[in-house]
Amino acid sequence: DAMVIQNPRYQVTQFGKPVTLSCSQTLNHNVMYWYQQKSSQAPKLLFHYYDKDFNNEADTPDNFQSRRPNTSFCFLDIRSPGLGDAAMYLCATSRDPRFRSGGALDTQYFGPGTRLTVL
Amino acid sequence: SQQGEEDPQALSIQEGENATMNCSYKTSINNLQWYRQNSGRGLVHLILIRSNEREKHSGRLRVTLDTSKKSSSLLITASRAADTASYFCATDAPGGNEKLTFGTGTRLTIIP
Repeated sequence: DAMVIQNPRYQVTQFGKPVTLSCSQTLNHNVMYWYQQKSSQAPKLLFHYYDKDFNNEADTPDNFQSRRPNTSFCFLDIRSPGLGDAAMYLCATSRDPRFRSGGALDTQYFGPGTRLTVL
Repeated sequence: SQQGEEDPQALSIQEGENATMNCSYKTSINNLQWYRQNSGRGLVHLILIRSNEREKHSGRLRVTLDTSKKSSSLLITASRAADTASYFCATDAPGGNEKLTFGTGTRLTIIP
């Protein structure tokens, strides 16, 4: 089945120790997103890729970086995790909105998430 | 600030009853989507309603949209224990640069 896969499901890191989260998709979608979700809160968009074009949210800290080497894979790098970065990180994909009437967005397909703990 | 605000924040009902959740938003939209999130998991898309639609059904789900009031509701009929989850609305604004803005969510608990 086509899907969005995130690895690892649980990640424990130490304060200040870099960590990389990965996302892969078999849906062949152009757009990929990374969200941060803290307990009992809505997902917060960190950045998204439109093909290889990177779009950073204005309030995403510089500590968060991303790479998308090809259509299928996307990585989230946290260069120096702080205690406040402990959260669920969600990857999502969607079809290209340019081919939809009015450019409206389509459904987003989410992976199961990676739960990050910072000690 | 959040585009969408949902109420109630939490809802507990008996199995078999209907559950209604509401979402309000602030700007014009292309469409509005509802997602479900089981505890500790990713989000699952439930239903999408376009700005020119007023009501949409999918199985036990019914979504309404009132663009004049900038609000939407999600009705789950004949609730089941498996419906226990958080439910989020998400809006897609014109010129929103390919991104959804999620509401604050409603935590639904179905009591067996």
